[in-house]
Amino acid sequence: DTAVSQTPKYLVTQMGNDKSIKCEQNLGHDTMYWYKQDSKKFLKIMFSYNNKELIINETVPNRFSPKSPDKAHLNLHINSLELGDSAVYFCASSQKRTGELFFGEGSRLTVL
Amino acid sequence: QQQVKQSPQSLIVQKGGISIINCAYENTAFDYFPWYQQFPGKGPALLIAIRPDVSEKKEGRFTISFNKSAKQFSLHIMDSQPGDSATYFCAASRLYGGATNKLIFGTGTLLAVQP
Repeated sequence: DTAVSQTPKYLVTQMGNDKSIKCEQNLGHDTMYWYKQDSKKFLKIMFSYNNKELIINETVPNRFSPKSPDKAHLNLHINSLELGDSAVYFCASSQKRTGELFFGEGSRLTVL
Repeated sequence: QQQVKQSPQSLIVQKGGISIINCAYENTAFDYFPWYQQFPGKGPALLIAIRPDVSEKKEGRFTISFNKSAKQFSLHIMDSQPGDSATYFCAASRLYGGATNKLIFGTGTLLAVQP
């Protein structure tokens, strides 16, 4: 049973399109995150939600919009995709005040 | 102040040798320092973590050494094995004083253990 699952695993799309990535965790955690890993493997936090409330919103273009319908789900919608958006996007979850983040396997986005 | 600097970028070690990866931070408000291991095609996974009130933590072959005054910490992998070949990330956060665990990651070290 996968703890943090993301779909789709791969997306290939054209510039200007809109795409969404979905994430679900079955660990009962109350905090979820989106991280972006670029081609040099650098991991950078984008957003964090705690019990459906947006807690962290880093300097991310407003083309990126997260949505948490409940504390087990966190989705990421990206409008007007650009070449620079190509990356692997990781969803993660944790229990508040505990250190360990549990990451999904990532969603590799390629913008052509 | 939010950066975590990691070195080396890549490391080749012989089987049975010691792998050492170093990190430095600037923000003295950080109170949680984990190391994550990432295999190709997978998400990062927690390996070991330390709080700044201790200078060393050991779990099996993995040891974190922490120097609060120098604002540095390092990962030592003893008796390195080919299965340890992966990318290692240090990270830091203000876990106990913040609203959520906002991990700031280092740039990663690609470790290759040769048989």
